[in-house]
Amino acid sequence: EADIYQTPRYLVIGTGKKITLECSQTMGHDKMYWYQQDPGMELHLIHYSYGVNSTEKGDLSSESTVSRIRTEHFPLTLESARPSHTSQYLCGDRGSGGANVLTFGAGSRLTVL
Amino acid sequence: DAKTTQPPSMDCAEGRAANLPCNHSTISGNEYVYWYRQIHSQGPQYIIHGLKNNETNEMASLIITEDRKSSTLILPHATLRDTAVYYCIVRVGNNAGNMLTFGGGTRLMVKP
Repeated sequence: EADIYQTPRYLVIGTGKKITLECSQTMGHDKMYWYQQDPGMELHLIHYSYGVNSTEKGDLSSESTVSRIRTEHFPLTLESARPSHTSQYLCGDRGSGGANVLTFGAGSRLTVL
Repeated sequence: DAKTTQPPSMDCAEGRAANLPCNHSTISGNEYVYWYRQIHSQGPQYIIHGLKNNETNEMASLIITEDRKSSTLILPHATLRDTAVYYCIVRVGNNAGNMLTFGGGTRLMVKP
């Protein structure tokens, strides 16, 4: 079973700061995803990756960017955080094979003051 | 992707079976039915999936109607820890790089 690790779990930061949310997985899976979820609301896909040097934007437009330099890492960056970026960010990965089984990390809850 | 319809909320007594319905009347032949749940804003957790046959695992059972236009997730003996939002998702199973779209789900409240 894949392990997905997200850090930090909680982050409170001031407007204008640059932040990076880390996501790492231990199984060497190619496909990784970032979802954004406001409290009590639906999850929305904001970024995904099919492998190293592959990144795509998801259904929901986001000012964040991602990179995939190594298979096991898929960090998300906000160059200048704003209060509108306050949300929970969930990272997941998908194993090989036919089933669409995603494994998610515990999430990073970001609050921008 | 086929759209799914789920009731926004349901209650269940602890120890009883929880039956969560999902309608997916536009499902196509190669689309699977997936169920995930999300406990109190943690990352969603995979529960079960199926194509046309009923499926059972250690967490739940999935009953898919013969015409595949609806399905029911069954938690046979609900506990308080099963209180969560349950998502029914329909997606092609073997499409490489396929991501999942989560709708509103059903908020299940298990009560003592």
